Amino acid sequence: AQKVTQAQTEISVVEKEDVTLDCVYETRDTTYYLFWYKQPPSGELVFLIRRNSFDEQNEISGRYSWNFQKSTSSFNFTITASQVVDSAVYFCALSDTGRRALTFGSGTRLQVQP
Amino acid sequence: GAVVSQHPSRVICKSGTSVKIECRSLDFQATTMFWYRQFPKKSLMLMATSNEGSKATYEQGVEKDKFLINHASLTLSTLTVTSAHPEDSSFYICSARDVSGRSSYEQYFGPGTRLTVT
Repeated sequence: AQKVTQAQTEISVVEKEDVTLDCVYETRDTTYYLFWYKQPPSGELVFLIRRNSFDEQNEISGRYSWNFQKSTSSFNFTITASQVVDSAVYFCALSDTGRRALTFGSGTRLQVQP
Repeated sequence: GAVVSQHPSRVICKSGTSVKIECRSLDFQATTMFWYRQFPKKSLMLMATSNEGSKATYEQGVEKDKFLINHASLTLSTLTVTSAHPEDSSFYICSARDVSGRSSYEQYFGPGTRLTVT
């Protein structure tokens, strides 16, 4: 069975601070995909990144960066110089290569204070 | 980019009535769609996998007679909540897989439907 753990329920930072959201996953599959989604108050999921299990390169996209470490089964997400607009719930998710349904973590609510 | 729509976005219904939620892929074909449910301030839980032209596959603990899923075409899946009760109040989100070949592992989410049963 697959499992995604986001131990941080809620994080509050002040604008311009850097913040890292943790994600740890469990799977028996050797090939899988990892995702991060943002869910603002409107409820719509916003896709941030997909990473397959064979690609351990870290990725940077603007103020966002992701650190994938297979050895520790972690896929952490860092926001640099946070902004109020980053306030949302962030979900880490895992899918297999078969059916491709997603298993979501419990989410981390990020509050960025001005 | 690929777009998935859901209708309605919000619905309030009385206990005992049935509600139908539509999920459409607007610019691609989707042989597989997924239905997720999200309780307030909780995570998304997979309810079922909807396969075009065949029966849906339900996750353990999801009542298939209560949550009827029909995937009659390559662009439309419907979820009908039958005899709704207040505990069915939730945010329902669908997603669709684009199997056109450009990125068969891509899954696109709809904007969600907020159901309130009074």
